[in-house]
Amino acid sequence: AQTVTQSQPEMSVQEAETVTLSCTYDTSESDYYLFWYKQPPSRQMILVIRQEAYKQQNATENRFSVNFQKAAKSFSLKISDSQLGDAAMYFCAYSTSGTYKYIFGTGTRLKVLA
Amino acid sequence: DAGVIQSPRHEVTEMGQEVTLRCKPISGHDSLFWYRQTMMRGLELLIYFNNNVPIDDSGMPEDRFSAKMPNASFSTLKIQPSEPRDSAVYFCASTAEGWITGELFFGEGSRLTVL
Repeated sequence: AQTVTQSQPEMSVQEAETVTLSCTYDTSESDYYLFWYKQPPSRQMILVIRQEAYKQQNATENRFSVNFQKAAKSFSLKISDSQLGDAAMYFCAYSTSGTYKYIFGTGTRLKVLA
Repeated sequence: DAGVIQSPRHEVTEMGQEVTLRCKPISGHDSLFWYRQTMMRGLELLIYFNNNVPIDDSGMPEDRFSAKMPNASFSTLKIQPSEPRDSAVYFCASTAEGWITGELFFGEGSRLTVL
């Protein structure tokens, strides 16, 4: 069975600094997708970034980028130039290609200090 | 286009009462999910619909829970009778089948408190 592990329950970062959130996963599949979702206090889960396993290039969305290490089954999220609005819970998620089952990690609460 | 719309946003009820949560998916999306989020168990998939048909309801905790999708623009999750351990945030999410394993679009969730 696939699993997703986020080992950092909480992280803090100074405004304008860079922070990296960790995520590891376990799967025997070769074709899958990985996601980072943000859940601000408003509760709505919002997709931050998505990575296809078959792509070697790391995904980037503005200040957000990932470090995807397929062999190590690691998928970390780097937030550059952190802003107060980045404060939220961040969830790592996995889905096998062609299936509807998304597996979510337990989340990392990010605090941004002014 | 409006996102996934859920109601009510908050619900407080007493044990034994019936609770109905509602969801309107994004127009054109044919896949709909109900999730439950708690501190203890994280985000759990309760049920998945495709083209209004329940495909996987193995996550529904027990017979007290039921879900329907009478048409492409509306789904309900009902708990009858409710119990304190049902207190959680319930999310509805939708996507288009062609995007499966693509982005899930979530509603704002319904926070349920059962006293």
